[in-house]
Amino acid sequence: DGGITQSPKYLFRKEGQNVTLSCEQNLNHDAMYWYRQDPGQGLRLIYYSQIVNDFQKGDIAEGYSVSREKKESFPLTVTSAQKNPTAFYLCASSIGHSDTQYFGPGTRLTVL
Amino acid sequence: AQKVTQAQTEISVVEKEDVTLDCVYETRDTTYYLFWYKQPPSGELVFLIRRNSFDEQNEISGRYSWNFQKSTSSFNFTITASQVVDSAVYFCALSAWYSSASKIIFGSGTRLSIRP
Repeated sequence: DGGITQSPKYLFRKEGQNVTLSCEQNLNHDAMYWYRQDPGQGLRLIYYSQIVNDFQKGDIAEGYSVSREKKESFPLTVTSAQKNPTAFYLCASSIGHSDTQYFGPGTRLTVL
Repeated sequence: AQKVTQAQTEISVVEKEDVTLDCVYETRDTTYYLFWYKQPPSGELVFLIRRNSFDEQNEISGRYSWNFQKSTSSFNFTITASQVVDSAVYFCALSAWYSSASKIIFGSGTRLSIRP
């Protein structure tokens, strides 16, 4: 059945390491998004992509990078430049912008 | 400025009570969309409703109902006869134009606890 998958569910990283979070969708959606959620807070947009091979910075892009080589996939790399990466990361997709975004189950990243 | 305010940080009610979650938004767009999402303890956001700015009719879906009032820029969500399974964080959101594309702006969420 269709949906959005994110892996891994839990991820531990040592300081100074880059780490990549996976997001895959089989909904045939054009647009994909990455959000960060800190405890007790709302969602903040990191990056978004409207079509393959194109992506835009969101509100908090510093220390993160993305790629969109395939329609189904939108991986997020948390680099060592991200000062406080411990958070819950949610990936979403939508048919197009302004359309309803559907979310994956999330990845909880902890920096040790 | 585009903004969504959920003034209620936490609400706790006893099962079977009715509860209303408030949402106030700001936008200069004449065409926009409003959303409600539910985030249960598992973490995944579950879509509940999408409403466009030209449709002010209230909507009911089972025990859930939504009251959209453009005059007060509000899009409130009511759960009737609440159940323990309704316990979650609920987010109100607004679609807005941002750098020639639209994005969704989320409120900070309301944590709803239903006590048995």
